[in-house]
Amino acid sequence: AQSVSQHNHHVILSEAASLELGCNYSYGGTVNLFWYVQYPGQHLQLLLKYFSGDPLVKGIKGFEAEFIKSKFSFNLRKPSVQWSDTAEYFCAVNPVGGQNFVFGPGTRLSVLP
Amino acid sequence: GAGVSQSPSNKVTEKGKDVELRCDPISGHTALYWYRQSLGQGLEFLIYFQGNSAPDKSGLPSDRFSAERTGGSVSTLTIQRTQQEDSAVYLCASSLRRESDYTFGSGTRLTVV
Repeated sequence: AQSVSQHNHHVILSEAASLELGCNYSYGGTVNLFWYVQYPGQHLQLLLKYFSGDPLVKGIKGFEAEFIKSKFSFNLRKPSVQWSDTAEYFCAVNPVGGQNFVFGPGTRLSVLP
Repeated sequence: GAGVSQSPSNKVTEKGKDVELRCDPISGHTALYWYRQSLGQGLEFLIYFQGNSAPDKSGLPSDRFSAERTGGSVSTLTIQRTQQEDSAVYLCASSLRRESDYTFGSGTRLTVV
């Protein structure tokens, strides 16, 4: 069965620090990849997605992610985090031709002012 | 509507009672998904509807769980004889097509006492 792992359960950073959240998946075929964000008390929102083309994708709020096919990875990055980035981040994989997304367990990001 | 609407937003029920959770997807979205998010857990896939096709029920945890989607629009998730382990946030999402990104509702927080 497909699975998605996220390297960190909880990440704590100071404002202006750089961020990288790891995501790896287990599926040998073609996949669509997503990062979703859940701010405190809010619903899940799409941060960015990769379907095909340039493996470096840019999303909202200065986030970007790089798809490395050989490593089955789709890590999320931001050069300088803000307090407002405090949230839970979920990586998701949808195998092309598959039925539904498989989500990772989530990484909680706390940014200290 | 403008987004995915779920009701009720909160539900407290006694163990052994039946509950119904409702999801109203974005108009025109053919795919509808139910996920469950437990405290400290990721998103657990429950069931998927695509147009008029038979639903994918592979994620339903027991036969106490069932769901239907009437007229290709509104969906109802029913949990019979609720147990305390059913306590979670139940999320509904819809997408334009099977492999498009999801739009999530705000969820129903179910507490079984």
